[in-house]
Amino acid sequence: EDKVVQSPLSLVVHEGDTVTLNCSYEVTNFRSLLWYKQEKKAPTFLFMLTSSGIEKKSGRLSSILDKKELFSILNITATQTGDSAVYLCAVVSGTYKYIFGTGTRLKVLA
Amino acid sequence: DVKVTQSSRYLVKRTGEKVFLECVQDMDHENMFWYRQDPGLGLRLIYFSYDVKMKEKGDIPEGYSVSREKKERFSLILESASTNQTSMYLCASSFPPVGTEAFFGQGTRLTVV
Repeated sequence: EDKVVQSPLSLVVHEGDTVTLNCSYEVTNFRSLLWYKQEKKAPTFLFMLTSSGIEKKSGRLSSILDKKELFSILNITATQTGDSAVYLCAVVSGTYKYIFGTGTRLKVLA
Repeated sequence: DVKVTQSSRYLVKRTGEKVFLECVQDMDHENMFWYRQDPGLGLRLIYFSYDVKMKEKGDIPEGYSVSREKKERFSLILESASTNQTSMYLCASSFPPVGTEAFFGQGTRLTVV
């Protein structure tokens, strides 16, 4: 059975800290891995990863995929209170399946 | 900007009622999805549609049906609402091939009493 596991489930840090969120997966017919940020509304897209070892960056956020060890990490440096959210990892498998993890809830304290 | 719009943010319905959740996207996407999101369970796929009048069951289709009569609109129907269908419902759309970014609506929080 396809599955995506995110860790930790929740995390509380102080502003300025660096955090690393993990996503491991076991899926058949891997196509891509996606990261989303969800505040109190629609998940918003952060990154799409398809190739191992190529880091994607957007400001203070970065992500990388390891297709041999079947995981991805999302790094956030110099965290801010606006980074507080649930971070979702989704792996796309086969013809249409986006398989989501349960998410990591990040809280950044001022 | 891609927009995926769900008809209601909050809904309260009674057990046994027929419930319609509507989703409209404005980017001419072929693929549309309905998920429900529950604490500790993440997002689970209810149904997927890859074209007008085409649909595929997801992981938890029981108690639900869908309709896609026009490309931009995907409706989720709860034939006879039950309390265990109380949840957050999220609609999403994407271009094919699947694997690209999916865009989400703002969600409908449905409470069945």
